Amino acid sequence: EDQVTQSPEALRLQEGESSSLNCSYTVSGLRGLFWYRQDPGKGPEFLFTLYSAGEEKEKERLKATLTKKESFLHITAPKPEDSATYLCAVPPGHGGSQGNLIFGKGTKLSVKP
Amino acid sequence: GAVVSQHPSRVICKSGTSVKIECRSLDFQATTMFWYRQFPKQSLMLMATSNEGSKATYEQGVEKDKFLINHASLTLSTLTVTSAHPEDSSFYICSARPDGLAPQDGYTFGSGTRLTVV
Repeated sequence: EDQVTQSPEALRLQEGESSSLNCSYTVSGLRGLFWYRQDPGKGPEFLFTLYSAGEEKEKERLKATLTKKESFLHITAPKPEDSATYLCAVPPGHGGSQGNLIFGKGTKLSVKP
Repeated sequence: GAVVSQHPSRVICKSGTSVKIECRSLDFQATTMFWYRQFPKQSLMLMATSNEGSKATYEQGVEKDKFLINHASLTLSTLTVTSAHPEDSSFYICSARPDGLAPQDGYTFGSGTRLTVV
């Protein structure tokens, strides 16, 4: 069964304290792994797509990496405005539109000043 | 960039009434849109795939007669929750991707609708 598991469920950091979020996935034939940011009461905001093991992408203080079984979202020197829930998602392995994304439960990040 | 507008952002309705939620792509056409539901501290779960000019495809366990979807144009999809009950209270989110845009560019999500049934 296709599955996405994110850890930790919640993460509290001090401003400037770097850390990583984990996304483990089980899917036959990965067709991309997506990272989104979701603020309270809002829809997800697209961050990155990764397609192959070893791929890395960066955006400001965020860097996403991908292996054959998991992805990491590294946050370097976070700021309070990075506080949000970070979601990981993959398309299902059996085919069909890539709009059908399987989401993890997310990691709620809180960055204290 | 691609923008998806969802309306209303919040709605409170009485049990037994119906509620319509709109999802519009403001600056692009989308043949396909998607409706998700998110319960507190849970994943976004796909409810249905909305196809312009044809019937929506519902995920297993989602009642098509309760959650009516209409995709009448390339920029508008609507979700109507019929005979709403308190257990339908949730956060409903739509998403779309411009026709012709590559999947790796990501799907754009609406800002969501918080439905509370009292």
